[in-house]
Amino acid sequence: GQNIDQPTEMTATEGAIVQINCTYQTSGFNGLFWYQQHAGEAPTFLSYNVLDGLEEKGRFSSFLSRSKGYSYLLLKELQMKDSASYLCALMDSNYQLIWGAGTKLIIKP
Amino acid sequence: DVKVTQSSRYLVKRTGEKVFLECVQDMDHENMFWYRQDPGLGLRLIYFSYDVKMKEKGDIPEGYSVSREKKERFSLILESASTNQTSMYLCASSFLDRASSYEQYFGPGTRLTVT
Repeated sequence: GQNIDQPTEMTATEGAIVQINCTYQTSGFNGLFWYQQHAGEAPTFLSYNVLDGLEEKGRFSSFLSRSKGYSYLLLKELQMKDSASYLCALMDSNYQLIWGAGTKLIIKP
Repeated sequence: DVKVTQSSRYLVKRTGEKVFLECVQDMDHENMFWYRQDPGLGLRLIYFSYDVKMKEKGDIPEGYSVSREKKERFSLILESASTNQTSMYLCASSFLDRASSYEQYFGPGTRLTVT
């Protein structure tokens, strides 16, 4: 079967760095996505990793280790507007997304 | 910009009513999806469609049906609404077969309350 785990909630300080982890178990893998979802709004795409390594995109970076079934999203220079839920999603062998429950990130001044 | 629109942001229906949720996308995407999102749970796939008149069951299709008569439009139907269908419903679309763009684009969601 497939399983995705990510922390339920994290708190960080404005200007700091935070790392949100996602671990998964799957028999088929076609990539891992990170989405951001502000309260009451639709999820929006942040990143897609299919090969091992770090992908950097401005203040946000995403890392993947396929052998360890592990990914993380790194947010630098945190801003208040980064307060949101961050969703990890695994693309399985049928190209369907399996979603984690999301990590609610709270940014404090 | 990709745009996915949903017919209602908020909807209140009574138990037993038939409910239609409409979704329209303007990017000529082949794939369209209906999810529900509940607190503490990940997005759960109800149905998806990869072409006009084609539909596939997702993880939780019971109590729902779908219709895709035109490429840009995907409807979710609750034949007889029940209180356990109170949820946020999200529609999404994506290209079918682009190696670098399996990204799904989401609509704003419909918060359905069944009383």
